[in-house]
Amino acid sequence: GQNIDQPTEMTATEGAIVQINCTYQTSGFNGLFWYQQHAGEAPTFLSYNVLDGLEEKGRFSSFLSRSKGYSYLLLKELQMKDSASYLCAVMDSNYQLIWGAGTKLIIKP
Amino acid sequence: GAVVSQHPSWVICKSGTSVKIECRSLDFQATTMFWYRQFPKQSLMLMATSNEGSKATYEQGVEKDKFLINHASLTLSTLTVTSAHPEDSSFYICSRHEAGKETDTQYFGPGTRLTVL
Repeated sequence: GQNIDQPTEMTATEGAIVQINCTYQTSGFNGLFWYQQHAGEAPTFLSYNVLDGLEEKGRFSSFLSRSKGYSYLLLKELQMKDSASYLCAVMDSNYQLIWGAGTKLIIKP
Repeated sequence: GAVVSQHPSWVICKSGTSVKIECRSLDFQATTMFWYRQFPKQSLMLMATSNEGSKATYEQGVEKDKFLINHASLTLSTLTVTSAHPEDSSFYICSRHEAGKETDTQYFGPGTRLTVL
């Protein structure tokens, strides 16, 4: 079957760096998405990786290894507003989104 | 495994026709389900909240008469795009919400890709 795994919850300190991992097993691969979702709001697009490697966008970076079925989202210089859920989703060979359960990130002062 | 399914997964239709998209909650009786649309590499845009047994709540700017939502049972919500036009081509995603003791969880469907010719 198809499966996306990511940690349920993580805690980090303001100003620090945190890495949220996502592993996947899907039938085919057409890219991996990371979204940020604050409580009660719609998910906000953060990144899309379809080729191996690291893509950096300001404080956020996303890494992909297709051979390992693995991605991570790296958040630097954490701010309190980064407290949110981070969703990993993979688009399979049918262009369907397979969603992870989300990682709740708690930032402490 | 998946807890929310959508049908069809993709559909191509002619301009002016109507398309119905189904969203099913597979393991949970959902009184509330949500409909989103997404353009490539963009954030999900909430279109409406589907309420079982009552009218849907639409977000500002979403045409109620164009995007008809029916939530006739606790496991099924449908979105009908009426008189579809090419600008309605998008990825439509539904979700359901589950309240937990300490945290709430939202489960998303796999999406339906609509292409209007």
